[in-house]
Amino acid sequence: DGGITQSPKYLFRKEGQNVTLSCEQNLNHDAMYWYRQDPGQGLRLIYYSQIVNDFQKGDIAEGYSVSREKKESFPLTVTSAQKNPTAFYLCASSRSSDFNYGYTFGSGTRLTVV
Amino acid sequence: EDQVTQSPEALRLQEGESSSLNCSYTVSGLRGLFWYRQDPGKGPEFLFTLYSAGEEKEKERLKATLTKKESFLHITAPKPEDSATYLCAVHRAQGGSEKLVFGKGTKLTVNP
Repeated sequence: DGGITQSPKYLFRKEGQNVTLSCEQNLNHDAMYWYRQDPGQGLRLIYYSQIVNDFQKGDIAEGYSVSREKKESFPLTVTSAQKNPTAFYLCASSRSSDFNYGYTFGSGTRLTVV
Repeated sequence: EDQVTQSPEALRLQEGESSSLNCSYTVSGLRGLFWYRQDPGKGPEFLFTLYSAGEEKEKERLKATLTKKESFLHITAPKPEDSATYLCAVHRAQGGSEKLVFGKGTKLTVNP
């Protein structure tokens, strides 16, 4: 079955550490996105990529980095520069040519700073 | 600036008590409005896409409608399994990129 796989489901980070969240899709979608979700804040866009080897900053990119070396993969690194990283992170993908269904989302990664 | 506002923030219903959720938006060049359902600890699941004022779509106990400035998600005779957070998003295209702008959601609780 086609879909988006995010791993791990839960992740714990110590102060000063970088951590990487994985996102893989087998939907043959061109575009991929990373969102952060906090209680009462809704979904906020971190980074997005519409094509391999290209990506753009979203609304809250500071303290995060991404890469898009393959169409299927869009990993997100939360760096030590991100001062408040505890949140629920969602990866999504979409077709560039057909937006009928909006985004397809993964099941999320919950990151906690310990 | 594009804005999507959902109300109420939270809604409690008794099983069988029908109601509506609201999504009002200001966006230049609306290219679609989306409704998603999100269960706790999971990613949002697609429900509906609406494109033009007057359009309606239905799925089981849910019906979504669209006007020029807002959308409603009507829930008829809800059941406890309809409890979830419902998210509204608008699709806009700008500078060659396609994006969804999300509201903060309405958390629905249906009590048996």
